Amino acid sequence: GAVVSQHPSWVICKSGTSVKIECRSLDFQATTMFWYRQFPKQSLMLMATSNEGSKATYEQGVEKDKFLINHASLTLSTLTVTSAHPEDSSFYICSAVDLGRVLHTQYFGPGTRLTVL
Amino acid sequence: GIQVEQSPPDLILQEGANSTLRCNFSDSVNNLQWFHQNPWGQLINLFYIPSGTKQNGRLSATTVATERYSLLYISSSQTTDSGVYFCAVGSGGGADGLTFGKGTHLIIQP
Repeated sequence: GAVVSQHPSWVICKSGTSVKIECRSLDFQATTMFWYRQFPKQSLMLMATSNEGSKATYEQGVEKDKFLINHASLTLSTLTVTSAHPEDSSFYICSAVDLGRVLHTQYFGPGTRLTVL
Repeated sequence: GIQVEQSPPDLILQEGANSTLRCNFSDSVNNLQWFHQNPWGQLINLFYIPSGTKQNGRLSATTVATERYSLLYISSSQTTDSGVYFCAVGSGGGADGLTFGKGTHLIIQP
């Protein structure tokens, strides 16, 4: 149980285009999802917290107009990178929490590798 | 925010050896997880351990919350144990994102 999927697993796009990444909890309801970014050979950095039915909360330094997050249902959150540029190339990973469980373990998706040309 | 330090940053061992990875954190936490990131980037949950001791096969973990550190033990290492091990902490229950350490890059040689 507690499986999180992401789509697509990788994407290559041209500079200036927008890219949408989906994060789904497959076998549980996730009232809260998180988006992280990982640059090569570095650690994961929290970008934003996504709560179902409300606006996302962004970490300091993360542009909310550039990284649009929508958590429209208890099993789906989307991250849209708008007007992507080469510096946005990174590994984007989502996680989900089932707050109905006693242990608030975060379960991570497999990640999406974004390359902006 | 909470600071997380992991040591050592790199570790090279022979197959069959035992290892201890350490995670220090700067403030009280109510969530601590250990992960293994495989070569494809997938984070594999190893332990949810904000306090106490847990064991799962060749792996075990101990968190001493009052002294703000956690240890991950790997016994009888195998080449498949290679990869990056991350410690991540949170202080807001399930509603807060995790702060990750920089990881320990473990290489197990045959």
